[in-house]
Amino acid sequence: DAGITQSPRHKVTETGTPVTLRCHQTENHRYMYWYRQDPGHGLRLIHYSYGVKDTDKGEVSDGYSVSRSKTEDFLLTLESATSSQTSVYFCAISEKVVTEAFFGQGTRLTVV
Amino acid sequence: AQTVTQSQPEMSVQEAETVTLSCTYDTSESNYYLFWYKQPPSRQMILVIRQEAYKQQNATENRFSVNFQKAAKSFSLKISDSQLGDTAMYFCAFMKQGGSNYQLIWGAGTKLIIKP
Repeated sequence: DAGITQSPRHKVTETGTPVTLRCHQTENHRYMYWYRQDPGHGLRLIHYSYGVKDTDKGEVSDGYSVSRSKTEDFLLTLESATSSQTSVYFCAISEKVVTEAFFGQGTRLTVV
Repeated sequence: AQTVTQSQPEMSVQEAETVTLSCTYDTSESNYYLFWYKQPPSRQMILVIRQEAYKQQNATENRFSVNFQKAAKSFSLKISDSQLGDTAMYFCAFMKQGGSNYQLIWGAGTKLIIKP
């Protein structure tokens, strides 16, 4: 299995509070991605990174920011959590753009 | 914009039967990749099979094969000799080849239940 770890695995937070999710990889893959998964929508890309300090927006980036200061870590921050951000968040990594993407086990985030 | 449609929200078959999951997509691109991913109850996404659009030959991986119809923009997944461990959500995904857009476009998924 690819070495990719998400933390925390579960989190409940209050509306308006900041939240940071962490994705850590041991594969030295260049590309890292954050997705959210909601019923009826499949996976939707939030942000991705193609190298240290190189990031770009996906289709649902509003309300989220990311940072990648090291190859192995990709952080997703909700600056002020809202109930619409209740979701399951997946991190993925890939060596090249169109090679297989390996996914973490997901973080279930509930905003109350 | 590209879209991916999976028209079967849920399917169930008996163990050892063959099942086909459908996927259609819409794109004006000529070069792209298509994927089927499996998400078992453990929630981890696992790549099942990948198809390059420029290849006419359908991809196969053991019991899993695809029927890729480029003109019809169809990419169905066939699972032969289905097993209980095949029970999962299955997602079809599209990626444009080249450029700076690294985005996978996902279908909404099909829940597949294999009954003993």
